[in-house]
Amino acid sequence: GAGVSQSPSNKVTEKGKDVELRCDPISGHTALYWYRQSLGQGLEFLIYFQGNSAPDKSGLPSDRFSAERTGGSVSTLTIQRTQQEDSAVYLCASSSHTSSYNEQFFGPGTRLTVL
Amino acid sequence: AQTVTQSQPEMSVQEAETVTLSCTYDTSESDYYLFWYKQPPSRQMILVIRQEAYKQQNATENRFSVNFQKAAKSFSLKISDSQLGDAAMYFCARSGTASKLTFGTGTRLQVTL
Repeated sequence: GAGVSQSPSNKVTEKGKDVELRCDPISGHTALYWYRQSLGQGLEFLIYFQGNSAPDKSGLPSDRFSAERTGGSVSTLTIQRTQQEDSAVYLCASSSHTSSYNEQFFGPGTRLTVL
Repeated sequence: AQTVTQSQPEMSVQEAETVTLSCTYDTSESDYYLFWYKQPPSRQMILVIRQEAYKQQNATENRFSVNFQKAAKSFSLKISDSQLGDAAMYFCARSGTASKLTFGTGTRLQVTL
């Protein structure tokens, strides 16, 4: 079956512009996660969604970052007024439950470059 | 902060040899899971192996095995009979009750002929 997909694969934008990154999780997966991978760093948790519960936004670095998940499926991560330090790879993952046991399946990521 | 530490930024191993990647972590939770992920240049994160903290037996997946020392909060990955296709970034990660993963900074593994 299809895995997690993300679009666009690469995004170049100018400082101060808004960007939207999209994630399509595996069908039927109730949990969805966003992570950020800066150059030479590990992945940093941003936000996760589980079903209809309120999302855990504890990893969002500033109020310029927001995310939504429509209909319990597709998610969009929005970065407003982008800054050069926002340049990174943004990875999305999904899993079938929120228990720690369940494997998170990752998408290929979106590489964001802010000029 | 509950962190995951990988102290080896880069490692190199000859084909067919064995290599061990180190990982230590910090947690106050009693129930958690540990993972090793592989990230090739394609950026796709691939789960290599998983360990439940309540299990004493070390996990094994074909050529990959772990040495889990719970008291020392250590979780190393051993790759046996290394292959060229094993070359990648390897990330150690921990999840707890919230299920989100906390990652180390990664170890870049080179495999030479």
